[in-house]
Amino acid sequence: QSVLTQPPSVSAAPGQKVTFSCSGSSSNIGKNYVSWYQQLPGTAPKLLIYDNDKRPSGIPDRFSGSKSGTSATLGITGLQTGDEADYYCVTWDSSLSAGVFGGGTKLTVL
Amino acid sequence: QVQLQESGPGLVKPSETLSLTCSVSGGSITNYYWSWIRQPPGKGLEWIGNTHSTGNTKYNPSLKSRVTISVDTSKNQFSLKLSSVAAADTALYYCARHIGRWGFDVWGQGTTVTVSS
Repeated sequence: QSVLTQPPSVSAAPGQKVTFSCSGSSSNIGKNYVSWYQQLPGTAPKLLIYDNDKRPSGIPDRFSGSKSGTSATLGITGLQTGDEADYYCVTWDSSLSAGVFGGGTKLTVL
Repeated sequence: QVQLQESGPGLVKPSETLSLTCSVSGGSITNYYWSWIRQPPGKGLEWIGNTHSTGNTKYNPSLKSRVTISVDTSKNQFSLKLSSVAAADTALYYCARHIGRWGFDVWGQGTTVTVSS
């Protein structure tokens, strides 16, 4: 059972917008920064968002991140079939003194 | 462009020590934090621990008694040792570079470690 809670799956149609939620607590998301990763089948995770809302170079602005209180959200607009993947959030937990990942959300593009 | 490459035995016997190395190329290991992250088959990601190039380390409390992460700046490498392994330690092990306050911008391709007799 993960410290950060993510829904197991989400689905949307091509061209639509989808959001991924990541719920934590005051000891992790509430006081630390969140990053988001896309993991395509058989590949290493790829950084999409760091420090809550920053995009690394090369990541299109279709991807966005936000944080409010003890929850964080990843948004993807203009969905493409190539976006089908698992998406993970991660942050530092100050009480555990450990990095903590969400369990991941599988995106299906219908 | 910085690249990471994990290396080490793909098969480890139960109760023995898993040893992996992450080689950094295309850039310097200095002035960064570096992490080990693992993913059991069909499951999610787990942070194992990290090291700064100065040797300062942090470990996941769930693994702390068995984990040692070290850095060798002369070789531009850092390493993971996990002792007393069991079947539950079977996983794809990744090394990664930190960015910002808590993110991982560069990842190795991962190396599969199976614990079995």
